[in-house]
Amino acid sequence: NAGVMQNPRHLVRRRGQEARLRCSPMKGHSHVYWYRQLPEEGLKFMVYLQKENIIDESGMPKERFSAEFPKEGPSILRIQQVVRGDSAAYFCASSPQGIGNEQFFGPGTRLTVL
Amino acid sequence: SQQGEEDPQALSIQEGENATMNCSYKTSINNLQWYRQNSGRGLVHLILIRSNEREKHSGRLRVTLDTSKKSSSLLITASRAADTASYFCATAGPSYGNNRLAFGKGNQVVVIP
Repeated sequence: NAGVMQNPRHLVRRRGQEARLRCSPMKGHSHVYWYRQLPEEGLKFMVYLQKENIIDESGMPKERFSAEFPKEGPSILRIQQVVRGDSAAYFCASSPQGIGNEQFFGPGTRLTVL
Repeated sequence: SQQGEEDPQALSIQEGENATMNCSYKTSINNLQWYRQNSGRGLVHLILIRSNEREKHSGRLRVTLDTSKKSSSLLITASRAADTASYFCATAGPSYGNNRLAFGKGNQVVVIP
């Protein structure tokens, strides 16, 4: 039973480019969460999705960031026109039920913006 | 605002000793969870304690929860070098719409062989 998969593990982008981060939840999990971790910091919630629905995006920056979890395929976190401040580790987690239960985390994508 | 705040921030102990770290939070919760993160890796779930529970054990881990003081502690007994990691507490509760985990900044634990 594979865990949460994220790819790429490392992503380097120049300022102004787009970054696409992918997350495949554990089998049977329909709830996906994205978190961002800055160096020496804890994780900060970004967005909570179920299949084809954004449930809570209150942690997402208003501009340049978007997320989706289509009926088929992985969840995508998209960052347009990246800036240096977007450099961070982005973690995806999934759970079989909603919040209040254990979340299983992927290995993260480390985004570096040059 | 940051929900969980761990104390102490960094802890260095000898192998075999016990390690205790604390976490405080500000608002009402449904549960509190502890996670471990090895350097450069993802988070591993350790234990979940619900708001109506006071203590929970899992192997060498013991977690307590005091909702009157809005605090929790994580005890690792007979520590091993492999326990070297950062430990985060995270809370889930109605203050955040029950849709997110709010993480503290983490405790860095170093176990010296």
